[in-house]
Amino acid sequence: QSALTQPPSASGSPGQSVTISCTGTSSDVGGYNFVSWYQQYPGKAPKLIIYEVSQRPSGVPDRFSGSKSGNTASLTVSGLQAEDEADYYCSSYAGPKSCVFGTGTKVTVL
Amino acid sequence: QVQLVQSGAEVIKPGASVKVSCKTSGYIFTNYGISWVRQGPGQGLEWMGWISPNSGDTNYPQKFQDRITLTTDTVTTTAYMELRSLRSDDTAVYYCARAMLGDTFDHWGHGTLVAVSS
Repeated sequence: QSALTQPPSASGSPGQSVTISCTGTSSDVGGYNFVSWYQQYPGKAPKLIIYEVSQRPSGVPDRFSGSKSGNTASLTVSGLQAEDEADYYCSSYAGPKSCVFGTGTKVTVL
Repeated sequence: QVQLVQSGAEVIKPGASVKVSCKTSGYIFTNYGISWVRQGPGQGLEWMGWISPNSGDTNYPQKFQDRITLTTDTVTTTAYMELRSLRSDDTAVYYCARAMLGDTFDHWGHGTLVAVSS
């Protein structure tokens, strides 16, 4: 199972929006509504910020939103804040013996 | 609150094995799966497998099928990951994570650094 494709980097000024894509295949992203997004700060464990394509866990700001079209999922961070500077990873269920992560995107707040 | 506390860092010689523990608390252990994910230096996340503490069923990707064993102890609510025949490219931080439906990982351990070096 190949990793999902994400852009290596994305950036925006405070208050702006940034959107990160996550491209897979019909065997993973396109085949299931189990796409998750994780935020990771350097030296820290990942944190779940979006699950089942567009659901936010309790405590995650509504500035974070997710969507999916075909084989590509997207994470949008609206009203960018300095604390949003981190690495972001998508993941998708891909069948009983396969969970696949994205390649990761470093978000920089300018 | 839900917590997953992992064992400490290890330095392992090539060819040897490592067993990492993940002590859980704050929830009913048998109601959720546990997955293991690793992250090499400067690298992305890689899923290594899943176990059901309730049934003992496991799922492993083909890449690790021959070298990994996941187990759980329902008495101590602890999960274990054993990786054998270690190589230098197994040097990574290893995470345990509570697994919800559809491989959603809602709580993570702090990570265990495993360094493979002679």
